[in-house]
Amino acid sequence: GDSVTQMEGPVTLSEEAFLTINCTYTATGYPSLFWYVQYPGEGLQLLLKATKADDKGSNKGFEATYRKETTSFHLEKGSVQVSDSAVYFCALSESGQNFVFGPGTRLSVLP
Amino acid sequence: KAGVTQTPRYLIKTRGQQVTLSCSPISGHRSVSWYQQTPGQGLQFLFEYFSETQRNKGNFPGRFSGRQFSNSRSEMNVSTLELGDSALYLCASSPGYDRPGQPQHFGDGTRLSIL
Repeated sequence: GDSVTQMEGPVTLSEEAFLTINCTYTATGYPSLFWYVQYPGEGLQLLLKATKADDKGSNKGFEATYRKETTSFHLEKGSVQVSDSAVYFCALSESGQNFVFGPGTRLSVLP
Repeated sequence: KAGVTQTPRYLIKTRGQQVTLSCSPISGHRSVSWYQQTPGQGLQFLFEYFSETQRNKGNFPGRFSGRQFSNSRSEMNVSTLELGDSALYLCASSPGYDRPGQPQHFGDGTRLSIL
């Protein structure tokens, strides 16, 4: 079946550092890809998405590009802030159904 | 547009009891999914309901059950509670149709603690 693999962390960075969280997937079809963020005490919030190869999703300074050839959707941000400290989940879905989530990556940003 | 609403936010129960959690999806969404989130196991899929029918099911024992009403609101029930059922239970809704790119929208969860 479909699956998502991502670095589990925790990832600890200093403020203004560059962030990369790796995500790779296995799917039988042509999935849509998502990044979600979870702040303490809250549910998951959609951060960005991409629906086809070479699409770039972006939001709040975060970016991820749908790479079909490497089955990857790595999350990047050029300069992280303390407020970005959260858990990040990579996910896929085929045809709006059967969402599959990665294990989550905890990010801590130190001032 | 109101988001996904889960009630209650917190629950404390004892072993052997049963519990019912409620989820109201975003207006117009017909798919509701339930997840269990624990520090050790991450986010685990329980089941999904679409138009009052269970469409997908995860690998959980029969003590975990759910249902969906005609207005798309959903309830999840856990019977004979065990200590290991302590977790954050998340509900997510989506339109549910066969349409790529539709994300799931999550509620803030119900924190269930078993004593």
